[in-house]
Amino acid sequence: GAGVSQSPSNKVTEKGKDVELRCDPISGHTALYWYRQSLGQGLEFLIYFQGNSAPDKSGLPSDRFSAERTGGSVSTLTIQRTQQEDSAVYLCASSLESRGRFYGYTFGSGTRLTVV
Amino acid sequence: AQSVTQLDSHVSVSEGTPVLLRCNYSSSYSPSLFWYVQHPNKGLQLLLKYTSAATLVKGINGFEAEFKKSETSFHLTKPSAHMSDAAEYFCVVSDRGYSTLTFGKGTMLLVSP
Repeated sequence: GAGVSQSPSNKVTEKGKDVELRCDPISGHTALYWYRQSLGQGLEFLIYFQGNSAPDKSGLPSDRFSAERTGGSVSTLTIQRTQQEDSAVYLCASSLESRGRFYGYTFGSGTRLTVV
Repeated sequence: AQSVTQLDSHVSVSEGTPVLLRCNYSSSYSPSLFWYVQHPNKGLQLLLKYTSAATLVKGINGFEAEFKKSETSFHLTKPSAHMSDAAEYFCVVSDRGYSTLTFGKGTMLLVSP
């Protein structure tokens, strides 16, 4: 696609429920990233995919968070047993990395998650 | 390890006056540096990037930034602010060229008529 697409754009869920957030990167972008933007916290790195593998998942805040990427394309971020502190905007970005060169990130518009 | 410090959480200017948003970084390697802008309820948009070419980088909407290695700074400037520039601006560093970005806390730019 022309840009990074994220769905849903807004999600309200009850505490304790599981949620899935989806990211469709730009076609051909090999790298995919998840970030979280919380009020007063800035942007936090969550996880990085190169192809279908995740060489850096150091930012996942707890074992309730997991992510996968299939076919080198779509990624899903899953939050189990959501808590109120999980409320944030979850941003996905993709980038084209070729022969060690970095061409910059393109961000999606994010999914605003509200846990009530 | 890499880090970035945006020195002002808020900057207020009048329309037509210059804009200066300050950013200092630390990096173990030759860094790549970026400025992103986020308008209310919108996604992050890349303004400009420095990746070891010219130290003065020109971006979109009349913004530019100068990479100063001796000062470890990458300040964002614009000669004349416009009302549409009101947004939050993030300075970002990547010292591995292709992996994790580290974001500053952001600077909110307020533009008054």
